[in-house]
Amino acid sequence: EPEVTQTPSHQVTQMGQEVILRCVPISNHLYFYWYRQILGQKVEFLVSFYNNEISEKSEIFDDQFSVERPDGSNFTLKIRSTKLEDSAMYFCASSHTTSGGFDEQFFGPGTRLTVL
Amino acid sequence: AQKVTQAQTEISVVEKEDVTLDCVYETRDTTYYLFWYKQPPSGELVFLIRRNSFDEQNEISGRYSWNFQKSTSSFNFTITASQVVDSAVYFCALNSLRNFGNEKLTFGTGTRLTIIP
Repeated sequence: EPEVTQTPSHQVTQMGQEVILRCVPISNHLYFYWYRQILGQKVEFLVSFYNNEISEKSEIFDDQFSVERPDGSNFTLKIRSTKLEDSAMYFCASSHTTSGGFDEQFFGPGTRLTVL
Repeated sequence: AQKVTQAQTEISVVEKEDVTLDCVYETRDTTYYLFWYKQPPSGELVFLIRRNSFDEQNEISGRYSWNFQKSTSSFNFTITASQVVDSAVYFCALNSLRNFGNEKLTFGTGTRLTIIP
């Protein structure tokens, strides 16, 4: 069964460093998302991406964040200068949805980011 | 604005008991979808069900059932004959038709369910 994959599973970084979180969405999916879950809290939407551009972003997704689909398979989230409060689990998701339907979003296993 | 409320932060039941997880939502949109996801201790998010706003029929899948009531804006989830493997955090989520198929999910705060052997 196709699945969303994410690498690395755990990333430890120093405050102020740049990190890139990687995701490989399901191959025929058209919409891509990043969500964040601070430990013990709810899952929060960060950004959605379609047709090589951002469709929507939340207030959390400030200038420190960027997303990219560098090739036909990867979808990345970059945090330019990490802060302590960026420590969280980051989930990538993808959905098919070509006609305004509501295909469920399939989530990857997450990358746990720890900023020291 | 959209909002999902899961008032039960933690629930513990003894194995084989039935348990209901509550979800109340708010949205101004007339077309929307509701979801339940399970997050086991390993951390991944597992899709359980999707229900659209025009379909108020209850759904049963094995030991799982869902009760959608538009009149009370609720989408409750019941597990019958609970098992230890059901122990997890369960999230209710909402999205609505706004961007023609590119809708963000709004999650509730989750309910941590512990099944005691």
